[in-house]
Amino acid sequence: GQQLNQSPQSMFIQEGEDVSMNCTSSSIFNTWLWYKQDPGEGPVLLIALYKAGELTSNGRLTAQFGITRKDSFLNISASIPSDVGIYFCAGLVTDKLIFGTGTRLQVFP
Amino acid sequence: DGGITQSPKYLFRKEGQNVTLSCEQNLNHDAMYWYRQDPGQGLRLIYYSQIVNDFQKGDIAEGYSVSREKKESFPLTVTSAQKNPTAFYLCASNNFRTDTQYFGPGTRLTVL
Repeated sequence: GQQLNQSPQSMFIQEGEDVSMNCTSSSIFNTWLWYKQDPGEGPVLLIALYKAGELTSNGRLTAQFGITRKDSFLNISASIPSDVGIYFCAGLVTDKLIFGTGTRLQVFP
Repeated sequence: DGGITQSPKYLFRKEGQNVTLSCEQNLNHDAMYWYRQDPGQGLRLIYYSQIVNDFQKGDIAEGYSVSREKKESFPLTVTSAQKNPTAFYLCASNNFRTDTQYFGPGTRLTVL
């Protein structure tokens, strides 16, 4: 099945640093979603994007829907220990979500 | 409390046995989905259902079966035909108005 290219695969950062991750695709999407997954739990929706060029914030998180509709990025500012987890992007194709391979984030105090 | 529930959280079965994973939602969502997640991997779609009494195969449907007799419920059966059933299984439902999918807490299935 189709998957989105998500990078980086993993990140190791110090508390307080900013983080940036992105997803790219060869296909156009009408909706981009960003999720966070803690170990052993289901993904939790962070941000939803509906229009090309849209920039949306949720607290310290900011995500953008790329102009070409083939990419999206997620920024986390001033990281804290509870930001640890796996972040997934997902693009909506008709009635199904296509998921990225995930970015594993580790935050060190 | 509104949401998606999956039970049990952990499930152990012997090889060759069928097992059914439960998924219930009280969000009044029409569409429901089952995903499989292997360690260090993304989510792969097994089956999905947009309305009651209808469902479609996802990318990895072989060895699985589903039913959708009620809007609130979408159980997944892992059959003995599934060659590598040990995985983390996630159920989700979709809000068509906002095009957003919400996930349950997952069931970790281990086949011994």
